[in-house]
Amino acid sequence: DVKVTQSSRYLVKRTGEKVFLECVQDMDHENMFWYRQDPGLGLRLIYFSYDVKMKEKGDIPEGYSVSREKKERFSLILESASTNQTSMYLCASAGLGYEQYFGPGTRLTVT
Amino acid sequence: ILNVEQSPQSLHVQEGDSTNFTCSFPSSNFYALHWYRWETAKSPEALFVMTLNGDEKKKGQISATLNTKEGYSYLYIKGSQPEDSATYLCAYDTNAGKSTFGDGTTLTVKP
Repeated sequence: DVKVTQSSRYLVKRTGEKVFLECVQDMDHENMFWYRQDPGLGLRLIYFSYDVKMKEKGDIPEGYSVSREKKERFSLILESASTNQTSMYLCASAGLGYEQYFGPGTRLTVT
Repeated sequence: ILNVEQSPQSLHVQEGDSTNFTCSFPSSNFYALHWYRWETAKSPEALFVMTLNGDEKKKGQISATLNTKEGYSYLYIKGSQPEDSATYLCAYDTNAGKSTFGDGTTLTVKP
């Protein structure tokens, strides 16, 4: 069974703080993704990675960066959190079949 | 940004009704089409991945068809049950590994 875990289910941060969201998968998948989900906007891709130390911008990368130092771990970084980054963040990984396996999500509130 | 459209946005049916939703996507540069099921308070789970024009997939009472030439896929649920209530997402791949998601169809099945 594929398992994708995220470091927190709920997180509250203040404006201007640096925020790290961690994602770990245990199936040796090459591809990993970070999405945010907002009401009425569906899933929007922030960044993805095809391999260690490789990253590609998704549709809404502004205000975010990522890090993939190990194959199993993909981190999303908010350098200076803002209130418009309050959202549900979902991590996913994918292997050869390309269907994505999602983590439980992190609901981030920036006050 | 690729345009993936799903309709209807929401659907309310009675237990036992059969229903279907539509996903439309660009017909050029097609690689794969995914359907996911997303229940409240859970993570999205993969239902089907289809890659060839004319593909049909079935899982229990849920089935899907694919037309890559005209750019659409249908998801059918025969004899809906309350436990089928969820948001159904489709996702379109052009390059292996990156998906563009539609906004989803939210199905509510009333007992």
